[in-house]
Amino acid sequence: DTGVSQDPRHKITKRGQNVTFRCDPISEHNRLYWYRQTLGQGPEFLTYFQNEAQLEKSRLLSDRFSAERPKGSFSTLEIQRTEQGDSAMYLCASTSMDAPGYTFGSGTRLTVV
Amino acid sequence: KNEVEQSPQNLTAQEGEFITINCSYSVGISALHWLQQHPGGGIVSLFMLSSGKKKHGRLIATINIQEKHSSLHITASHPRDSAVHICAVPLPTNTGNQFYFGTGTSLTVIP
Repeated sequence: DTGVSQDPRHKITKRGQNVTFRCDPISEHNRLYWYRQTLGQGPEFLTYFQNEAQLEKSRLLSDRFSAERPKGSFSTLEIQRTEQGDSAMYLCASTSMDAPGYTFGSGTRLTVV
Repeated sequence: KNEVEQSPQNLTAQEGEFITINCSYSVGISALHWLQQHPGGGIVSLFMLSSGKKKHGRLIATINIQEKHSSLHITASHPRDSAVHICAVPLPTNTGNQFYFGTGTSLTVIP
């Protein structure tokens, strides 16, 4: 296991299209987080899963955003009807309840044109 | 108001200089993280500390829980240290922890 993987690394999409990102956490990590980062800012929390349960959602996660973690392993983040303001880096991180330390993925950079 | 404040926002240094990045937070925490984000966007965890000081190579992190302040020091800075350094605190919520991040300090080390 080489860490948290995110796919794709880059995504360019036209406004109004739907996009889906995937995050594969470290296999023994039961907690998974999604963050969004815009230029010059620190990451902002979007949502958090413990196993397959989505336990928290930020106000930033509008009804166009949905996240799933169906089997408690990988997670997907879908953005429907993308807007230019959705252009950002989307970061995934995972951790375990039993051990400290977070591992971040390399992120998916979304550009909406 | 941000729960986590970092300074400076931007820092340019000559290779070999000693660098300090500061982080202040406004809430009680159990631990604080220093992260490093390179231009490609990937984030690497540098330190997690809850008291005192930790050292890894040329990097030193300190924390003062009473003053709610942490510093990241880089000794003998090198161009490969050029990155955004982010301070982050996990805050307890009803269902688990949520990270709050500083806006980051963009460090450029010039050869």
